[in-house]
Amino acid sequence: KNEVEQSPQNLTAQEGEFITINCSYSVGISALHWLQQHPGGGIVSLFMLSSGKKKHGRLIATINIQEKHSSLHITASHPRDSAVYICAVVGKGAQKLVFGQGTRLTINP
Amino acid sequence: SAVISQKPSRDICQRGTSLTIQCQVDSQVTMMFWYRQQPGQSLTLIATANQGSEATYESGFVIDKFPISRPNLTFSTLTVSNMSPEDSSIYLCSGSFLGGNEQYFGPGTRLTVT
Repeated sequence: KNEVEQSPQNLTAQEGEFITINCSYSVGISALHWLQQHPGGGIVSLFMLSSGKKKHGRLIATINIQEKHSSLHITASHPRDSAVYICAVVGKGAQKLVFGQGTRLTINP
Repeated sequence: SAVISQKPSRDICQRGTSLTIQCQVDSQVTMMFWYRQQPGQSLTLIATANQGSEATYESGFVIDKFPISRPNLTFSTLTVSNMSPEDSSIYLCSGSFLGGNEQYFGPGTRLTVT
């Protein structure tokens, strides 16, 4: 079993829909990252969380440390949100990231 | 924060040759990392680049295949040696500051080996 599991692996939705991507992890962590990777390959860091909730524009990320679970939400989704979203955790006492397998999101106009 | 650039952005190489990828950071980061992303896969850590000493490699990665240099706190190189088609991947570097959990990523180098 991977240390970081994401669901769903693939998600297709219509423009305007509310999107949720889930991430579960099995180790103690000091932080969790949500990353966005566009087809060209470059990665953008969306959020870093250690507790609670963060919001940036139409994106919201939440984390429940006790349940070892995080969610990324996109409100009013748009075709430009189409990308692979990756959850990654930093283990306690470590600095390297452990990555989930990614969720490929496609938003159709 | 840190802005990271990589060169080249992409390359097509022949089997048996080597390619060196450069990673430049606009500020002095404590930690630098090299990742590989094979087609359809998530990222895998290759090694931690240590300034002034040998890199720390993850299981399954060896120095002879992926030699890494880090001469200072803003620059690192990764060489993919004696390439085979299985090395076709995106290679990314990242950096972070001591005590900070934030990681900053480069744009990646897309390597195709024919």
